[in-house]
Amino acid sequence: AQRVTQPEKLLSVFKGAPVELKCNYSYSGSPELFWYVQYSRQRLQLLLRHISRESIKGFTADLNKGETSFHLKKPFAQEEDSAMYYCALKARGAQKLVFGQGTRLTINP
Amino acid sequence: SAVISQKPSRDICQRGTSLTIQCQVDSQVTMMFWYRQQPGQSLTLIATANQGSEATYESGFVIDKFPISRPNLTFSTLTVSNMSPEDSSIYLCSVETGWNTGELFFGEGSRLTVL
Repeated sequence: AQRVTQPEKLLSVFKGAPVELKCNYSYSGSPELFWYVQYSRQRLQLLLRHISRESIKGFTADLNKGETSFHLKKPFAQEEDSAMYYCALKARGAQKLVFGQGTRLTINP
Repeated sequence: SAVISQKPSRDICQRGTSLTIQCQVDSQVTMMFWYRQQPGQSLTLIATANQGSEATYESGFVIDKFPISRPNLTFSTLTVSNMSPEDSSIYLCSVETGWNTGELFFGEGSRLTVL
């Protein structure tokens, strides 16, 4: 079975500081990994996926198969980054996403 | 992309009653997913609904408790039957517009409180 773990329920950093949201997964195959974000009063939406290897809103995430991790990073946090972040995994060939428990990120001015 | 409308956005229900949540999409989609998010918990998939076939339920969820309809490519309903306080949750409808992309579009959710 697949499992996604986000060890931090809450994370608070100051504006301009680096931020890293941790995500670890458990899956025996080759996974597809995603980060979803939910801003206040908005619906859940895709932030980025590992297969695209892109930077969205300054965020990047690298899949580390050795450590089974997919941490989300941004070098300089901005106040508008305050949101709930969910890491999600999709098994190869599967249709569904398995979500982690989420991390609430707060950026302090 | 897809725009999803869910109704009701919230409701307060009595124990033992049933409530049907509607999900309307602005485009035709093959895959629709119903998730539950209990207070302080992550999103848990209830079932996958494909048009023209029976919904596929995840472990721990059964059709008698969560019957789903999928009459066409733009609409689905989820009924929460014989509700108890443990069913108090946010129920989310989501769709995948591409094929197996993993990119889901979500509705705003339906927040149910069962007394």
